[in-house]
Amino acid sequence: DTGVSQNPRHKITKRGQNVTFRCDPISEHNRLYWYRQTLGQGPEFLTYFQNEAQLEKSRLLSDRFSAERPKGSFSTLEIQRTEQGDSAMYLCASSRGHLNTEAFFGQGTRLTVV
Amino acid sequence: AQKVTQAQTEISVVEKEDVTLDCVYETRDTTYYLFWYKQPPSGELVFLIRRNSFDEQNEISGRYSWNFQKSTSSFNFTITASQVVDSAVYFCALISSGSARQLTFGSGTQLTVLP
Repeated sequence: DTGVSQNPRHKITKRGQNVTFRCDPISEHNRLYWYRQTLGQGPEFLTYFQNEAQLEKSRLLSDRFSAERPKGSFSTLEIQRTEQGDSAMYLCASSRGHLNTEAFFGQGTRLTVV
Repeated sequence: AQKVTQAQTEISVVEKEDVTLDCVYETRDTTYYLFWYKQPPSGELVFLIRRNSFDEQNEISGRYSWNFQKSTSSFNFTITASQVVDSAVYFCALISSGSARQLTFGSGTQLTVLP
């Protein structure tokens, strides 16, 4: 396995449009995370899945954001009615455990809302 | 609540110099893990090290070393004999038993190693 894969790598969209990102985690990892990173800042937690169950969502995740992991494998993050403030790098990570194992990150999807 | 502070926003050094990146953390939990990640221009966060709160032994891996001190809530990272390829943003992160589903990251330190 080559690691966590995210698509697309870059996305430019007009304000008000919907966008969807995909994350394919490392195959044997049952935990999957989404983070958002803005320029000059560290990643901020958005949401977490254990298998197909979404167990935690940050208050950063407004109702315009929705994430799924239907079969406990890949995950999608959708943003509806995008706003300029949504422009950021969206990072996906996966791990076997959470407290005592490292998370492996993908290269991210850079979203630009114009 | 937990917090990670990386006070150094940017550091520039000349190749072969040693450089230390500072990290100070806050957590109320007694069980926690500290991490360092490297983020090169390609964007992918690369795991460097994980330490748990019960192990204060310093660690060395090649040119990298880490100094964990609970008394000062610090987990500093030193690169010895820096190289141009070390240029990247370095993040310190914390996960604790009270918020075991999420890493809390610092704001990162941009390290530039000049030839």
